[in-house]
Amino acid sequence: GAGVSQSPSNKVTEKGKDVELRCDPISGHTALYWYRQSLGQGLEFLIYFQGNSAPDKSGLPSDRFSAERTGGSVSTLTIQRTQQEDSAVYLCASSSYGQGNTEAFFGQGTRLTVV
Amino acid sequence: AQSVTQLDSQVPVFEEAPVELRCNYSSSVSVYLFWYVQYPNQGLQLLLKYLSGSTLVKSINGFEAEFNKSQTSFHLRKPSVHISDTAEYFCAVSAPGGYNKLIFGAGTRLAVHP
Repeated sequence: GAGVSQSPSNKVTEKGKDVELRCDPISGHTALYWYRQSLGQGLEFLIYFQGNSAPDKSGLPSDRFSAERTGGSVSTLTIQRTQQEDSAVYLCASSSYGQGNTEAFFGQGTRLTVV
Repeated sequence: AQSVTQLDSQVPVFEEAPVELRCNYSSSVSVYLFWYVQYPNQGLQLLLKYLSGSTLVKSINGFEAEFNKSQTSFHLRKPSVHISDTAEYFCAVSAPGGYNKLIFGAGTRLAVHP
C-alpha cells in the first residue's frame, strides 16, 4: 500500500482479555517500529524489527507484551491479560533501512481502550 | 541515553503571529534531530530534520528549526502561522550509527486562533 496501515483503528476490550494489533508497513521497508502514545507517558518506543528479527525489545513494558513479524512484512503486537493502564494509542512505523537518518513513516495508530 | 524536553505543553497564538516551540535534548553522543507533526485525527508526519551540515533546516510549509549544539536545543519557529498549523508538534532524537529508534518529547499543542 501507499502508507503504513494499522488495524483495527479502534479496539475496546475487557480487562484480562488478550488483544492483537496489526501493522502493514510500506512495501519494501525492512525496518519496523512499534510505539505507544498515552496521556501520562507521551510517545514511547516499544520494539524495533529489522526483517523478521527484533534486535531491540527494550521498550516492551512487561512480559504480557510480545510482537512478531513474518515474511519481513506484517507485524503483530500482542497484549495478554490486558490491564487498564494498557489503554493508549499504539503506533507502528516503518523505514526503508534501520539507519538513524532515514525517515520513519507512521501509521494512524490503533486506539486501545481497556474497560 | 538520550532525552528530549519540550518546555511548553500548549502554545496559543493568533493567526499571522510568529511562534516558537522550544525543544532541548540531552545526549552523551551526537544525535539526529527531528520535528514531527500530528494534525487532529491524523498520524505523525515528519516536518523537518537535522542530520548534519547547515544548522538551519526548513520545511516546505514555512517552519524552520536551528540546531544549537552549545545550548543542546532545536527550537521550531514560524514567522506567521495559519489556522491550519493547529496540531501537536513532537521533537525527537535518534542516535547516529544506530537504527532509527526515536526518543520523543512530550509534545507541544499549538492552537492558532483567528
